[in-house]
Amino acid sequence: EAGVTQSPTHLIKTRGQQVTLRCSPISGHTSVYWYQQALGLGLQFLLWYDEGEERNRGNFPPRFSGRQFPNYSSELNVNALELEDSALYLCASSLAVRDSTDTQYFGPGTRLTVL
Amino acid sequence: SQQGEEDPQALSIQEGENATMNCSYKTSINNLQWYRQNSGRGLVHLILIRSNEREKHSGRLRVTLDTSKKSSSLLITASRAADTASYFCAAGSRSYQLTFGKGTKLSVIP
Repeated sequence: EAGVTQSPTHLIKTRGQQVTLRCSPISGHTSVYWYQQALGLGLQFLLWYDEGEERNRGNFPPRFSGRQFPNYSSELNVNALELEDSALYLCASSLAVRDSTDTQYFGPGTRLTVL
Repeated sequence: SQQGEEDPQALSIQEGENATMNCSYKTSINNLQWYRQNSGRGLVHLILIRSNEREKHSGRLRVTLDTSKKSSSLLITASRAADTASYFCAAGSRSYQLTFGKGTKLSVIP
């Protein structure tokens, strides 16, 4: 069974540009989570989507946004890129949220570099 | 804000030795999870312990949870060079998001 996939693997952008990252969850998983892992800051929760709806949002500015499609895949959009947005962006998926102990399975991440 | 805080930040041991990593968290949790990350790649789920459990085993892994002290520990027995990675604890709450610590970087020397 395929795991969580993310694209692209690497991305280089310049300040002020916009970027879209993509995530496909494990088949049968309806919840998708986005995390940012910046150097020295650990993993920070960004967004959680379930059944096409945004369920929770971390402490990030509105220029970080996303959506979940009917097939449960998801996009993360970042507008007006800043240097500090350089990070590894990780997507995770889990089964339908009925129990907060549902395990999250992570993709390999997208490495974003902002110059 | 980071809820889980791992200790130590870095650990270097010889192959065959045991490795112990600790984690503290700040608020109420539903569960505490441990993940491994190799060289800045994706995270691999290792083990989950529920808030009403005190100890859990999985292969060479042993996790303990002390909710009164808001702390957890991960023990890797008989370490191997392949265990070299960063290990993160993640606090699972009723809001279904995971709050990660900054991780412990484990180096196992052959």
